[in-house]
Amino acid sequence: RKEVEQDPGPFNVPEGATVAFNCTYSNSASQSFFWYRQDCRKEPKLLMSVYSSGNEDGRFTAQLNRASQYISLLIRDSKLSDSATYLCVVPLDAGNNRKLIWGLGTSLAVNP
Amino acid sequence: EAQVTQNPRYLITVTGKKLTVTCSQNMNHEYMSWYRQDPGLGLRQIYYSMNVEVTDKGDVPEGYKVSRKEKRNFPLILESPSPNQTSLYFCASSLSNAGAGNIQYFGAGTRLSVL
Repeated sequence: RKEVEQDPGPFNVPEGATVAFNCTYSNSASQSFFWYRQDCRKEPKLLMSVYSSGNEDGRFTAQLNRASQYISLLIRDSKLSDSATYLCVVPLDAGNNRKLIWGLGTSLAVNP
Repeated sequence: EAQVTQNPRYLITVTGKKLTVTCSQNMNHEYMSWYRQDPGLGLRQIYYSMNVEVTDKGDVPEGYKVSRKEKRNFPLILESPSPNQTSLYFCASSLSNAGAGNIQYFGAGTRLSVL
């Protein structure tokens, strides 16, 4: 199993739709997780952190399932501006460095 | 304004011509790193630094050098660039490398083409 795996998409959804992405991870010891958003050719920006079972911020909800080792991102009432690539990030302890393992991203296109 | 600043944003160069990409952050962050992003390969860490004068290799360090003489600056040096180093480069900083401090703040990116 890859350290972090995401469905690359693309997900094409109409405005107003609800869409969910999953991210699976292999290291059962990972404690915290992140979702970043990356617009085309731009830098990634933090969308949400997930430290316990989940997190909610407006239209965005992240949920963590430790037993099955996946985190999900749910976007409700999709807007055109939500079109982007969503990157799942899982910290992994490696010696004295907590490195971040980045998923390849899930591409979302919200259509009018 | 809190930010990570990279320069240049775009660079076209030729094989073997040494270049430096600068990175500066104004958030007093301890942890800084360099990534490259390539289609199908995602973000890969090149080098990281946990503090001044402390640097270490990431996943793809070959062909790159870094230095951390001051807390705010973390330049990336390509001594002899080759075409396989054509990529989109990001500098990132974070308060630390643990827990909530691990949240990464990225520069706007440097698009490098090596001919």
